[in-house]
Amino acid sequence: KAGVTQTPRYLIKTRGQQVTLSCSPISGHRSVSWYQQTPGQGLQFLFEYFSETQRNKGNFPGRFSGRQFSNSRSEMNVSTLELGDSALYLCASSLFGVTGELFFGEGSRLTVL
Amino acid sequence: AQSVTQPDIHITVSEGASLELRCNYSYGATPYLFWYVQSPGQGLQLLLKYFSGDTLVQGIKGFEAEFKRSQSSFNLRKPSVHWSDAAEYFCAVGAKDSNYQLIWGAGTKLIIKP
Repeated sequence: KAGVTQTPRYLIKTRGQQVTLSCSPISGHRSVSWYQQTPGQGLQFLFEYFSETQRNKGNFPGRFSGRQFSNSRSEMNVSTLELGDSALYLCASSLFGVTGELFFGEGSRLTVL
Repeated sequence: AQSVTQPDIHITVSEGASLELRCNYSYGATPYLFWYVQSPGQGLQLLLKYFSGDTLVQGIKGFEAEFKRSQSSFNLRKPSVHWSDAAEYFCAVGAKDSNYQLIWGAGTKLIIKP
């Protein structure tokens, strides 16, 4: 059974640009959640999608957005990048949601110059 | 405000020694509690979880955790660590009154001495 796949794994952007990250969940999983991980900060919850609907949202500015497609694949977009957006962005899928077991991808490491 | 604290940023133990990683939370309602492990360059993997019932929870890789409501703690333990346990460990807490949104601790990095 294939795991959670995130693309791209690494990317470098400059301030003001935008970026789109992709996440393919485990087959059959309808919940996809996104997290920002920075050193010493742990994981900060961005949002969760379930069956194409945003079910929950963390405390991030509107520059951070996401969506989920009918095949459960999800994308997150960050517009007008800032230096502080440099982080590892993790995607997790689960059958029912964040209270169940989350299966994480290896992440997309974003560097903003 | 709801919060999760992992007081130890780093812990160093010798191979074969016992391990305890601390997790304290601040939550109004009965929480759901999780421990995840992140090996270098990898995503996170669930070690164990507590929803209700027996307060001593067994997980994978020989780990266990005990929920102590009076101390608002959910400490992770292992009787004898192996070099392959070197990783970063995250405690996470969720509750119905926060719409099950998980709050994560900052993580504890475990270093194993040979």
